[in-house]
Amino acid sequence: EPEVTQTPSHQVTQMGQEVILRCVPISNHLYFYWYRQILGQKVEFLVSFYNNEISEKSEIFDDQFSVERPDGSNFTLKIRSTKLEDSAMYFCASRGTVNGYTFGSGTRLTVV
Amino acid sequence: TQLLEQSPQFLSIQEGENLTVYCNSSSVFSSLQWYRQEPGEGPVLLVTVVTGGEVKKLKRLTFQFGDARKDSSLHITAAQPGDTGLYLCAGVSAGNNRKLIWGLGTSLAVNP
Repeated sequence: EPEVTQTPSHQVTQMGQEVILRCVPISNHLYFYWYRQILGQKVEFLVSFYNNEISEKSEIFDDQFSVERPDGSNFTLKIRSTKLEDSAMYFCASRGTVNGYTFGSGTRLTVV
Repeated sequence: TQLLEQSPQFLSIQEGENLTVYCNSSSVFSSLQWYRQEPGEGPVLLVTVVTGGEVKKLKRLTFQFGDARKDSSLHITAAQPGDTGLYLCAGVSAGNNRKLIWGLGTSLAVNP
């Protein structure tokens, strides 16, 4: 069964530092996503990516966030200057068919 | 703004009992998905319901999409301890991006 792989599984960073969360989507999928889940809250959409560009982003995805697909396999989420409120589980997902979402296991980001 | 309300938030039952989880919205979705999430893992897609009134079965799990495509339910028959976990519903927005709007989840505990 093809998987979406996320690294690292845990990341602790100091406030104001930059972090890069990495994802390897399923190879023949065309749509890529980042979602996040703050403890005790709903999963929230951050951004979708298609054809090498952002196709939609939420209000959460401000100038501090960026995504990149640098080499055709990796899909990264960068947070330039982390804030305490960025602490959350970040999930990468990819989609091939109309409804066929596959999620990674997530990166738990803790900002201290 | 599209919102999904899921109930109940917590459910603790004995092995062999039946249960129903509800997912309600004031908005129409193009389709609705149910996921199961284990601790420390990403959501795993169980089913997608697309047509109003549609019923899908997955072993002891029965999923129904409301006629107006605004609500859905998950019914588990004769629950087993292996059914323990977090069940999430997610509405699929219209358009090519098909971003997901999530409910808060139902944490189910099935006691032997």
